[in-house]
Amino acid sequence: EDKVVQSPLSLVVHEGDTVTLNCSYEVTNFRSLLWYKQEKKAPTFLFMLTSSGIEKKSGRLSSILDKKELFSILNITATQTGDSAIYLCVHFTGSARQLTFGSGTQLTVLP
Amino acid sequence: ETGVTQSPTHLIKTRGQQVTLRCSSQSGHNTVSWYQQALGQGPQFIFQYYREEENGRGNFPPRFSGLQFPNYSSELNVNALELDDSALYLCASSSPTEPSGYTFGSGTRLTIV
Repeated sequence: EDKVVQSPLSLVVHEGDTVTLNCSYEVTNFRSLLWYKQEKKAPTFLFMLTSSGIEKKSGRLSSILDKKELFSILNITATQTGDSAIYLCVHFTGSARQLTFGSGTQLTVLP
Repeated sequence: ETGVTQSPTHLIKTRGQQVTLRCSSQSGHNTVSWYQQALGQGPQFIFQYYREEENGRGNFPPRFSGLQFPNYSSELNVNALELDDSALYLCASSSPTEPSGYTFGSGTRLTIV
């Protein structure tokens, strides 16, 4: 059974801090790793990672994949209160088009 | 119309009842997936529909069933509701040509009392 494990489960920081969210995975048929942000209800897409060592960047957010060690990290620099959300790491199986979610990291950014 | 729309947004039911949740997929998306998200957990895959046929199922009992219509909208039906069915139910639509193109609806918060 595919497994995605995220750590920490929750994190409280102050505005301006930099955070690193971790995601490890054990899957039978790797296709892609996705990161989503869930603020209230609907998860919104952040990144898709397919190849090792290639950093994806969007503003203050960046993510990278290590296929040898089976993990990914999501970095957020200069955090803002609007970054407060649950961040979900997701394996995309491709052939069955199923998403396997980790339990998420609840990030709270205090002013 | 763009985006994924789910209805209702909130629902309260009692144990043993049946419920139907609805989802309208994003324009151009022919695949709909349903996920259950319990409090403090990541979403769990229930099943997926592609061209009106079930195309993959997670570890959920048969009392969770679904339908997809010719316009690609979908329903999730749950019979004999149990307290543990209380969760946020998310619908996501996608297209085979967009591997990362999952669009999620805002979900239905189902509470079983």
